[in-house]
Amino acid sequence: GQNIDQPTEMTATEGAIVQINCTYQTSGFNGLFWYQQHAGEAPTFLSYNVLDGLEEKGRFSSFLSRSKGYSYLLLKELQMKDSASYLCAVLDSNYQLIWGAGTKLIIKP
Amino acid sequence: DTAVSQTPKYLVTQMGNDKSIKCEQNLGHDTMYWYKQDSKKFLKIMFSYNNKELIINETVPNRFSPKSPDKAHLNLHINSLELGDSAVYFCASSPFEGVGSGNTIYFGEGSWLTVV
Repeated sequence: GQNIDQPTEMTATEGAIVQINCTYQTSGFNGLFWYQQHAGEAPTFLSYNVLDGLEEKGRFSSFLSRSKGYSYLLLKELQMKDSASYLCAVLDSNYQLIWGAGTKLIIKP
Repeated sequence: DTAVSQTPKYLVTQMGNDKSIKCEQNLGHDTMYWYKQDSKKFLKIMFSYNNKELIINETVPNRFSPKSPDKAHLNLHINSLELGDSAVYFCASSPFEGVGSGNTIYFGEGSWLTVV
């Protein structure tokens, strides 16, 4: 079966750095997405990786290793507004998006 | 201007009723989707439409039926609502169906359905 694993919850301090991991086992791979979802709101796009390596976009970076079935989202200079759930999703060989359950990130002052 | 809009945002209804959730996108996208987010926060795709043609239909009960009057609209109709249908339903759209960073999925704000 297809599976996306990410930690259920993480806590970090304002101004610090946090890394949210995602491992996947899917039938084929056509890219990995990270989305941010604030409580009670719709998911919003953060990043897309299809090649190995690190993609940097401001305070957020996303890394992919296809051979290891592994990705992480790195958030720097954490702000209180970064408190949200972070969803990892993989596009499989049928171009279907398989979603993880999300990681709830709690930022403390 | 809202890119993907869906109504109603909140809906409380009794078991056995029939209800519809409407969705519209003004992005000119070719593909629209309906997702269900359950209490465990998994986003599960229910349907997608590409140029008014159903291209994905996951194993959802046939009480759920998508209706697309045109490329910009994909409505979700639910017959004989059950308690287990309580969830958040997200409409979404993307430029095309397939792979690529340009194919970001844009979500509506969600419709909170509670069946009592």
